[in-house]
Amino acid sequence: GAVVSQHPSWVICKSGTSVKIECRSLDFQATTMFWYRQFPKQSLMLMATSNEGSKATYEQGVEKDKFLINHASLTLSTLTVTSAHPEDSSFYICSAPLGPTQYFGPGTRLTVL
Amino acid sequence: AQSVTQPDIHITVSEGASLELRCNYSYGATPYLFWYVQSPGQGLQLLLKYFSGDTLVQGIKGFEAEFKRSQSSFNLRKPSVHWSDAAEYFCAVGENFGNEKLTFGTGTRLTIIP
Repeated sequence: GAVVSQHPSWVICKSGTSVKIECRSLDFQATTMFWYRQFPKQSLMLMATSNEGSKATYEQGVEKDKFLINHASLTLSTLTVTSAHPEDSSFYICSAPLGPTQYFGPGTRLTVL
Repeated sequence: AQSVTQPDIHITVSEGASLELRCNYSYGATPYLFWYVQSPGQGLQLLLKYFSGDTLVQGIKGFEAEFKRSQSSFNLRKPSVHWSDAAEYFCAVGENFGNEKLTFGTGTRLTIIP
């Protein structure tokens, strides 16, 4: 149990376009989900907390208008990178808690050309 | 604010040898502690966790970790490593129940030599 999926696993897009990444909890419900960003050979940086039925909570320094988060249901959160630029290229990982334990998705590799 | 320190950026171990990865945390209350493993290009897999009770916790893949409050440590151990254990290992501390944010250490990259 406690499986989290992400889609797509990788995406390549042109600069200026928007990209949507989905995060799903497959066998449990989650009122909150978390979005992380990871640069090569670095740790995970928490970007925002996705809250079902309400606005996301963003960490300091994360642009709300650049990284749109929608938590449409108890099993789905989406991250949309708007007007993507090459510096947005990264590995994006989501997680969902079951009790105090976070379960992570497999990640999405975003490359912006 | 809570913080996690993993002093070793990179560790190389021979296959079959024992392993210990260090983790120190800073947190005002009793922490929730986790070890995750990440293979290249993959998400994070939970190895083990500590919430309370027995300070020696067993995890998957033959890993164990010991919570030592006096040393603010939660070191990960394995008696005999396998080539498939090569990966990045992250220690994390969680906040109190109801706010499941995790703070991660910087990670330790484990290389296994034949």
